Amino acid sequence: AQSVAQPEDQVNVAEGNPLTVKCTYSVSGNPYLFWYVQYPNRGLQFLLKYITGDNLVKGSYGFEAEFNKSQTSFHLKKPSALVSDSALYFCAVSPKKYKLSFGAGTTVTVRA
Amino acid sequence: DAGVIQSPRHEVTEMGQEVTLRCKPISGHNSLFWYRQTMMRGLELLIYFNNNVPIDDSGMPEDRFSAKMPNASFSTLKIQPSEPRDSAVYFCASSPSSGGAGGDTQYFGPGTRLTVL
Repeated sequence: AQSVAQPEDQVNVAEGNPLTVKCTYSVSGNPYLFWYVQYPNRGLQFLLKYITGDNLVKGSYGFEAEFNKSQTSFHLKKPSALVSDSALYFCAVSPKKYKLSFGAGTTVTVRA
Repeated sequence: DAGVIQSPRHEVTEMGQEVTLRCKPISGHNSLFWYRQTMMRGLELLIYFNNNVPIDDSGMPEDRFSAKMPNASFSTLKIQPSEPRDSAVYFCASSPSSGGAGGDTQYFGPGTRLTVL
């Protein structure tokens, strides 16, 4: 069985503050992990992914994520949030096949 | 580069009518996916094609749903007859993988918002 959990439905931060969006996974074997962002009335946009190697992955728009195998987590981070980062963020996990299992999503609101 | 193209962007229809959603994947991509997004169920994979062949249709809700991929640049998702509970946003995505390898990034289209009255 495979699953991914995003424990927070909403995250609210002030512009300029660090942003963290949490994700934990439960899969057998070594997973591939992804973060996507969805802006209103738009499709999902790929941010970054972890395949192997360095546990810290850097992606688009200044985002990064840290893979922690012992805690089975893959939290998304941004050192200094922007108002334009306000969106819906999805974590997804994939075993060594095509399927992506998405979390329920976390709504991020960055206030000016 | 053009991304994944979906049409129509919005569709409003009445219960019992046939609905056809269309998708053009990114050129050169060998895998195509149809997803459905609802508030209650989140993002669900409906069907996966690889090299135009349906590989996994276990997510298709019922026989009212069908999908085809007649060539590498076009796919359709058809609902006949449509029901109000089919109202959702339907996304098409494509990836470069030609063998169902893991770790491939899927690139999503803008979606079709379907409303069945």
